[in-house]
Amino acid sequence: GQSLEQPSEVTAVEGAIVQINCTYQTSGFYGLSWYQQHDGGAPTFLSYNALDGLEETGRFSSFLSRSDSYGYLLLQELQMKDSASYFCAVRDSGYSTLTFGKGTMLLVSP
Amino acid sequence: DTEVTQTPKHLVMGMTNKKSLKCEQHMGHRAMYWYKQKAKKPPELMFVYSYEKLSINESVPSRFSPECPNSSLLNLHLHALQPEDSALYLCASRGGGTDTQYFGPGTRLTVL
Repeated sequence: GQSLEQPSEVTAVEGAIVQINCTYQTSGFYGLSWYQQHDGGAPTFLSYNALDGLEETGRFSSFLSRSDSYGYLLLQELQMKDSASYFCAVRDSGYSTLTFGKGTMLLVSP
Repeated sequence: DTEVTQTPKHLVMGMTNKKSLKCEQHMGHRAMYWYKQKAKKPPELMFVYSYEKLSINESVPSRFSPECPNSSLLNLHLHALQPEDSALYLCASRGGGTDTQYFGPGTRLTVL
């Protein structure tokens, strides 16, 4: 079966850096995505890694190690508005469907 | 424009009602998805349409009936739902050559 593990909750203060890890066990692997979802809102795409290494998009970076079946999302210069749930998701088949992790709730305090 | 729209935003229905959820995108995406999301849970895939044909049905009960009238529209017809079907229903679309899915704001459904 497929499984993605990520911490259920992470807390940090404004201005800090936080890393949200994701490990996966899937029958296939095409890429790891990260989505942000504010309470009551829709998931919003943040980042995607198909190959090993670091992808940087502004304050957010994502890393993938295919050999370790592991990735992380790095959020820098945290702001209050970053308080949200973060989901890692894997495309594990040719159908471009995503299997989501259970989500990590990030709480940013002043 | 990376917008996916969904109507209605909120829907309350009884177990004997028939209602429909609508989703629209004008990005030229040929893959469209329906997800169900319960509070504090990840989105759960229900259906996938590819080039207006149903390609994946994740063993969803027949009281949920999807329809793709054209490449921009996706409907989800609801009939004889149960209270446990109350959830946020999300539509998403995806362009070719990418895994990125763009989600609509969702319809918050309450079944009484």
